[in-house]
Amino acid sequence: DAMVIQNPRYQVTQFGKPVTLSCSQTLNHNVMYWYQQKSSQAPKLLFHYYDKDFNNEADTPDNFQSRRPNTSFCFLDIRSPGLGDAAMYLCATSDRPRVPYKFFGPGTRLTVL
Amino acid sequence: SQQGEEDPQALSIQEGENATMNCSYKTSINNLQWYRQNSGRGLVHLILIRSNEREKHSGRLRVTLDTSKKSSSLLITASRAADTASYFCATDAETSYDKVIFGPGTSLSVIP
Repeated sequence: DAMVIQNPRYQVTQFGKPVTLSCSQTLNHNVMYWYQQKSSQAPKLLFHYYDKDFNNEADTPDNFQSRRPNTSFCFLDIRSPGLGDAAMYLCATSDRPRVPYKFFGPGTRLTVL
Repeated sequence: SQQGEEDPQALSIQEGENATMNCSYKTSINNLQWYRQNSGRGLVHLILIRSNEREKHSGRLRVTLDTSKKSSSLLITASRAADTASYFCATDAETSYDKVIFGPGTSLSVIP
């Protein structure tokens, strides 16, 4: 089945140790998004790619970076994780911009020790 | 911010009862969507209602939209224990479909 896959589902890292989260999709969608969701809060958009064009949200910290080497994969890099970065990270896709709904992956729960 | 606000924040009902959740938002929108999130899981898209629609049905789900009041409601009829989850409304700004903003969510518990 076509889907959005996130690996790993659970990630533990140490304070300040870089970590990379992975998202892949078999939907062949042009747009990929990364959301951060802290406990009992709403998901918050960090950035998105439309093809190779990167669109950063104004309030996304510089500590968060993203790479999209091809249509199928998108990575979230956290350069120096802090305790406040512990959250669920959700990847989503849409086939083109300006469509209202997204297909979400199951998320990666990040723990920072 | 045009973030949607859900009401109530938490809801507990008996299996078989109906569950109603409300969402309010601040600015003009193109669409409003409802998502479900089971504990520790990703979001599942439930239903989308466009700004020119007033009511939409999908199975046991009924969504209404009142653009004059900038509010929407999600009704789940004949609830089941499997409906236990958090429910989020999400809106996109009239000027940008990509700026989907989620409300804080309603946590629904359906007691068997």
